[in-house]
Amino acid sequence: QSALTQPRSVSGSPGQSVAISCSGTSSDVGRYNYVSWYQQHPGKAPKLMIYDVTKRPSGVPDRFSGSKSGNTASLTISGLQAEDEADYYCCSYAGRDIYVFFGGGTKLTVL
Amino acid sequence: DVQLVESGGGSVQPGGSLRLSCAASGFTFNSYWMHWVRQVPGKGLVWVSRINTDGSIIEYADSVKGRFTISRDDAKNTLYLHMSSLRADDTAVYYCARGLFGDPVGFDNWGQGTLVTVSS
Repeated sequence: QSALTQPRSVSGSPGQSVAISCSGTSSDVGRYNYVSWYQQHPGKAPKLMIYDVTKRPSGVPDRFSGSKSGNTASLTISGLQAEDEADYYCCSYAGRDIYVFFGGGTKLTVL
Repeated sequence: DVQLVESGGGSVQPGGSLRLSCAASGFTFNSYWMHWVRQVPGKGLVWVSRINTDGSIIEYADSVKGRFTISRDDAKNTLYLHMSSLRADDTAVYYCARGLFGDPVGFDNWGQGTLVTVSS
């Protein structure tokens, strides 16, 4: 089974924007509009931030947005705030035989 | 409020068995797909298994297929994961998660996790 590729770390200053990429293949990210993003603070459970590539659950600030181009999905966080510092994971559907993949995670540091 | 509370984790020897439970409240449990996701401490998330609303569709990651069994008891609003032939690489925090309607990778509520340690 393959995994989705994310940068190990990204950083930005408060108020700036950062983008986290999630690289898959034509069998997962590129084929299905089922990409989700999760935020995880240390010692806490993951929290859903984006689903269906671009949709935000109720309560998630609109500073968080998702997109996809070809086999790569992206999470963009604008107007960075200190509380955005966390690990972020992408997740994609990969069809009936493989089902669900997570990316390796990206540590976001707010400088 | 939606609540998912896992229990049943602990230490077990290689080759042993363990049953995890996930007690759900605050929503109509029998209307939702449910999932198990695990995470080795300090590492990334790994999807483990899912079950549909009536238990007729069950799927597993290759790494646990044939060793783990997911089930649900809607009368008790509880999700289970029976784990057997446990290996050291099954050591992880196990989370249960509620699935979004019609979305195979949208997990909108998570429990706090329960730690399973497989070691001799």
